[in-house]
Amino acid sequence: DVKVTQSSRYLVKRTGEKVFLECVQDMDHENMFWYRQDPGLGLRLIYFSYDVKMKEKGDIPEGYSVSREKKERFSLILESASTNQTSMYLCASIRQGGSNQPQHFGDGTRLSIL
Amino acid sequence: AQSVTQPDIHITVSEGASLELRCNYSYGATPYLFWYVQSPGQGLQLLLKYFSGDTLVQGIKGFEAEFKRSQSSFNLRKPSVHWSDAAEYFCAVGAPLSYNQGGKLIFGQGTELSVKP
Repeated sequence: DVKVTQSSRYLVKRTGEKVFLECVQDMDHENMFWYRQDPGLGLRLIYFSYDVKMKEKGDIPEGYSVSREKKERFSLILESASTNQTSMYLCASIRQGGSNQPQHFGDGTRLSIL
Repeated sequence: AQSVTQPDIHITVSEGASLELRCNYSYGATPYLFWYVQSPGQGLQLLLKYFSGDTLVQGIKGFEAEFKRSQSSFNLRKPSVHWSDAAEYFCAVGAPLSYNQGGKLIFGQGTELSVKP
């Protein structure tokens, strides 16, 4: 069965810390995505990657970066965490060229920045 | 620009009653359309999808949705709601972009469904 795993369900960090959110998929998918979910705003795309070491900015990339060193792993990095980055973060993956296929989602990481 | 609107932020229905969740999209061509459901503390699960063909699509858990091109809508329906359907529902549009952007989705704001006993 398809599996997207996010390393932490809940995370609490302090303002100014460097934060890493990890996502691993076991489906050999080329495309991976990081979303941020906030009440009333739905899911907003932060970054996505369509190949190892390739990345594209989404709609709200400011304050974030990503890393894709291996096909199965896609990391979201908050270089210097701020309180307005407190949110739910969701990772997803899809086979390349599979625009008509559904994205597979992890269970999310609820991040609190104090 | 592509966009998705879910006009209802929160809906409450009685158990056993029918349900319709609204979704309107803005897109230049026929998009790929999806409905996802998110239970508390969980990721998103696909309910159903539309790409082409029959405009009435059936999904899991007894849900269906109808694509209406003239209204740019893709409303989700269920004839009889169960308490376990309480969750947040997201409509999404997928753009058939170039291969290196395949699968990119635009989501609506979500509709939270509460079910009264």
